[in-house]
Amino acid sequence: DTGVSQDPRHKITKRGQNVTFRCDPISEHNRLYWYRQTLGQGPEFLTYFQNEAQLEKSRLLSDRFSAERPKGSFSTLEIQRTEQGDSAMYLCASSLVGGPDTQYFGPGTRLTVL
Amino acid sequence: AQSVTQLDSHVSVSEGTPVLLRCNYSSSYSPSLFWYVQHPNKGLQLLLKYTSAATLVKGINGFEAEFKKSETSFHLTKPSAHMSDAAEYFCVVSDRSSNTGKLIFGQGTTLQVKP
Repeated sequence: DTGVSQDPRHKITKRGQNVTFRCDPISEHNRLYWYRQTLGQGPEFLTYFQNEAQLEKSRLLSDRFSAERPKGSFSTLEIQRTEQGDSAMYLCASSLVGGPDTQYFGPGTRLTVL
Repeated sequence: AQSVTQLDSHVSVSEGTPVLLRCNYSSSYSPSLFWYVQHPNKGLQLLLKYTSAATLVKGINGFEAEFKKSETSFHLTKPSAHMSDAAEYFCVVSDRSSNTGKLIFGQGTTLQVKP
């Protein structure tokens, strides 16, 4: 299967710890997105990459959040000094510039901050 | 600004009866609209999309949606519900104001299918 993959699927951490999530998009896709979904809500946009360039960040992305896509392939999302309010599902999606504007989603990483 | 409003947070139907999930959109641009489905503990799956071609869009698993510009609606329907349709459904618009293609999701509608 060559869909979007995310790792880990679940992460439990204590408040104040740092966590890092990884997303591997569909191989030929040059657009990559991160979204956050809290319980009972629809996903909200966090940030967007085209190839290795981070072109947009939401105001939801505080200074404690950083995302990278160093070689234009996989991406990482790091949260420093986690807070209980960071508990959510973190979703990654990818799509192709110039192709159909359809985003394909990974299974998500569920973060629980104790 | 672009947005979508899902008019029902919860819909309950009996197996074999029609499904209607309602969505209104707001967009300053010609919108790209989508319906995604999310089953418990699974990723978001695209059901169908509208991108200014035919106003009646057919998707997977027997779902379809009709784009009505005069009503700014994009309701999702299925003639006969199946137990496996029970899930969370999201109406989504693509943000064309920033050229990033980011998606703006509605709050979601939980579909319950009773035997």
